[in-house]
Amino acid sequence: DAKTTQPNSMESNEEEPVHLPCNHSTISGTDYIHWYRQLPSQGPEYVIHGLTSNVNNRMASLAIAEDRKSSTLILHRATLRDAAVYYCILQIYNQGGKLIFGQGTELSVKP
Amino acid sequence: NAGVTQTPKFQVLKTGQSMTLQCAQDMNHNSMYWYRQDPGMGLRLIYYSASEGTTDKGEVPNGYNVSRLNKREFSLRLESAAPSQTSVYFCASSSGRGYEQYFGPGTRLTVT
Repeated sequence: DAKTTQPNSMESNEEEPVHLPCNHSTISGTDYIHWYRQLPSQGPEYVIHGLTSNVNNRMASLAIAEDRKSSTLILHRATLRDAAVYYCILQIYNQGGKLIFGQGTELSVKP
Repeated sequence: NAGVTQTPKFQVLKTGQSMTLQCAQDMNHNSMYWYRQDPGMGLRLIYYSASEGTTDKGEVPNGYNVSRLNKREFSLRLESAAPSQTSVYFCASSSGRGYEQYFGPGTRLTVT
């Protein structure tokens, strides 16, 4: 199955931008790149997703490499509420759109 | 809108007992999913239903059965619970391939 590789943990300062990297060298042409985050004792929360082009929404931006083998989630101004585990996930389009989760990156935000 | 709801929130079972986890969504989504999450791990897909009337196995289907009762509801059944099935179970729904998934709050299951 298609897999992603992320750093286990990252630290950020409050109100500074955060760039969370992800490698997905085995991505196929129809797989979407999704990002979710999870707070303790909660279900995952959708952040952003894209296929080929960079994407922006009210929560974050997603920068996708031209060869699609890597991507970066950008939080423009980190807040304490952004501290969570962030999962970079490939959505397998030809298998019902299922998500294959990896280990995720635990983001801590310092005041 | 309630989004995705799951019942029960917590459950303790003895080895060999059976139970059904319920999931419902009010977003008119076509696809529904069941995941489990073990401590310190990412989620793993148990079963999914791409559309009403269809179900397919995910990464870890052994020991589970599912029923897509209608478009709104997707249940997960443990016929004979084992301690290895102690986990947090999440249900999710989506409009389909290429769309985001919305997750429920989870069911914390302990099998002793």
